[in-house]
Amino acid sequence: GAVVSQHPSWVICKSGTSVKIECRSLDFQATTMFWYRQFPKQSLMLMATSNEGSKATYEQGVEKDKFLINHASLTLSTLTVTSAHPEDSSFYICSASKDTGNIQYFGAGTRLSVL
Amino acid sequence: QKEVEQNSGPLSVPEGAIASLNCTYSDRGSQSFFWYRQYSGKSPELIMFIYSNGDKEDGRFTAQLNKASQYVSLLIRDSQPSDSATYLCAVNKGSGTYKYIFGTGTRLKVLA
Repeated sequence: GAVVSQHPSWVICKSGTSVKIECRSLDFQATTMFWYRQFPKQSLMLMATSNEGSKATYEQGVEKDKFLINHASLTLSTLTVTSAHPEDSSFYICSASKDTGNIQYFGAGTRLSVL
Repeated sequence: QKEVEQNSGPLSVPEGAIASLNCTYSDRGSQSFFWYRQYSGKSPELIMFIYSNGDKEDGRFTAQLNKASQYVSLLIRDSQPSDSATYLCAVNKGSGTYKYIFGTGTRLKVLA
């Protein structure tokens, strides 16, 4: 068990458009979901933590109006990159945590390229 | 001082050898410790987790935790070329948060 699905795996968009990324826990209910960004040859940077039905908690320096997070159910969280610019091009990865164990299970990631 | 520190490597070991990866953390109150493997261009994959002092073994992998010295290590026995990846150490501080603090990762190269 503990499968996390992330979609799409790869997206190219034009500058100024918005992109939505979905993260689903397929075989468990995720009390908490996380969104990370990773630039080449760097480690994962936590962007925000989301709990079902409540507002996401953003890390310092992450623009909440630019990176909209919705955690509508215990199995689905979405990240919308609004008005994307080339500097937003990155590898975005979600993870989900069950109630116990503090273990995060990661989705496969979404590679975003903004032209 | 970074909260979670790892040597970036690369750490090169011959096939069949033991690879030893180390991680130190600064918050003495940290509760849970995780090792993830990340292949280039892929997302992290959980290898091991450990909560208590001592050793925890799972197949070819052994995690070692020493809370007094604030380090956690991962040993990979009989290293294979397919083990070549970046290994990320993650620490959870507990206190009701599931957030991880990640190290920058150690790149492991297993030479055939």
